[in-house]
Amino acid sequence: NAGVTQTPKFRVLKTGQSMTLLCAQDMNHEYMYWYRQDPGMGLRLIHYSVGEGTTAKGEVPDGYNVSRLKKQNFLLGLESAAPSQTSVYFCASSYHGGPVGEAFFGQGTRLTVV
Amino acid sequence: GDSVTQMEGPVTLSEEAFLTINCTYTATGYPSLFWYVQYPGEGLQLLLKATKADDKGSNKGFEATYRKETTSFHLEKGSVQVSDSAVYFCALRFNAGNMLTFGGGTRLMVKP
Repeated sequence: NAGVTQTPKFRVLKTGQSMTLLCAQDMNHEYMYWYRQDPGMGLRLIHYSVGEGTTAKGEVPDGYNVSRLKKQNFLLGLESAAPSQTSVYFCASSYHGGPVGEAFFGQGTRLTVV
Repeated sequence: GDSVTQMEGPVTLSEEAFLTINCTYTATGYPSLFWYVQYPGEGLQLLLKATKADDKGSNKGFEATYRKETTSFHLEKGSVQVSDSAVYFCALRFNAGNMLTFGGGTRLMVKP
């Protein structure tokens, strides 16, 4: 039961470096999401996707890009990392957007930008 | 826009104490409501949910009732255990929407 898998689990970047976070789900879910978690602010939605080949902006999209080339994968990219992007990043997926749909979360990626 | 407000933590209780974590929401319409739990070093897991007014969600001894009149979904447990120590997130989601809107989270610490 893999569920939602995120890689890497930890990363330290220097300001200006780029990186890609990978999210993979094996539940055949249509919807996938990237959130960031910061102390006292809960989880904020960065970008999301409602299906293969589609992406949309969430609440805090600036400085990030995403791609959903395959249904099971959702990539989050940082082109030029900034210290403000130090956070814990969570990927989630869900089967549908209906009232009973629950989201399944990965274990998170802790990113530090120095 | 839609928002969820939770009581700030940390909440520190002794084992077997009664727990209440307050959650209120602001939204146009009638969303589904959720409580998620995050144990140390892990991702979020669904704890319980309610999809319409007066529904009661329950799981692992935790309960929450969807109160439309007070726009609230308070989490309760009659007797907490050390193993309940975690961060609890209240969230809402609409039928036609795809995204969960989260509250800020409440850290619960249970001491033996």
